[in-house]
Amino acid sequence: SQELEQSPQSLIVQEGKNLTINCTSSKTLYGLYWYKQKYGEGLIFLMMLQKGGEEKSHEKITAKLDEKKQQSSLHITASQPSHAGIYLCGGARGSQGNLIFGKGTKLSVKP
Amino acid sequence: GAVVSQHPSRVICKSGTSVKIECRSLDFQATTMFWYRQFPKQSLMLMATSNEGSKATYEQGVEKDKFLINHASLTLSTLTVTSAHPEDSSFYICSVHRTGRDEKLFFGSGTQLSVL
Repeated sequence: SQELEQSPQSLIVQEGKNLTINCTSSKTLYGLYWYKQKYGEGLIFLMMLQKGGEEKSHEKITAKLDEKKQQSSLHITASQPSHAGIYLCGGARGSQGNLIFGKGTKLSVKP
Repeated sequence: GAVVSQHPSRVICKSGTSVKIECRSLDFQATTMFWYRQFPKQSLMLMATSNEGSKATYEQGVEKDKFLINHASLTLSTLTVTSAHPEDSSFYICSVHRTGRDEKLFFGSGTQLSVL
């Protein structure tokens, strides 16, 4: 079955430092979504990548999808305490909109 | 503002009772909505796809008679956990698929179900 591996599982960084979270699929994806979640709360949409080699940025967050559409990275520049939370990557298996999720990366940012 | 409204946000019920969770698409009509479940410190797992006007599609291992899904209109899908038991305690969250040029998947705020 198709799986989505996310790494690292947890990350503690000093405020102001850059960081990268990775997401790898065993199969080619239709699309890749990145969300932020506080446990027990809803998901905040960050970015959606659909084309091989695509890169999107919003404020200090940049997400990339490789050409094969199997690997994505989420990069945060100059991290702030407000970036703390759980980051989830969700892979779209087709155009229907149902996702498989990675296990998440818990990010803590030390002031 | 919120694109997806999910209610209730938290519910505590006795074992054996049924609980209904609502998911509303506020900004656009959605023929398809999705229901996920998340156990503590685990990722979201797709339970079922809710299809407007037709039967829901359930993922392998999800009991359709236990998790009743109704998608009677283009803006509302409901998930009913029937005869709930403590092992059904979990975080349930819905998502709505906006198709087209600006394709996105929006999620509700989730429902924390605790079955005593």
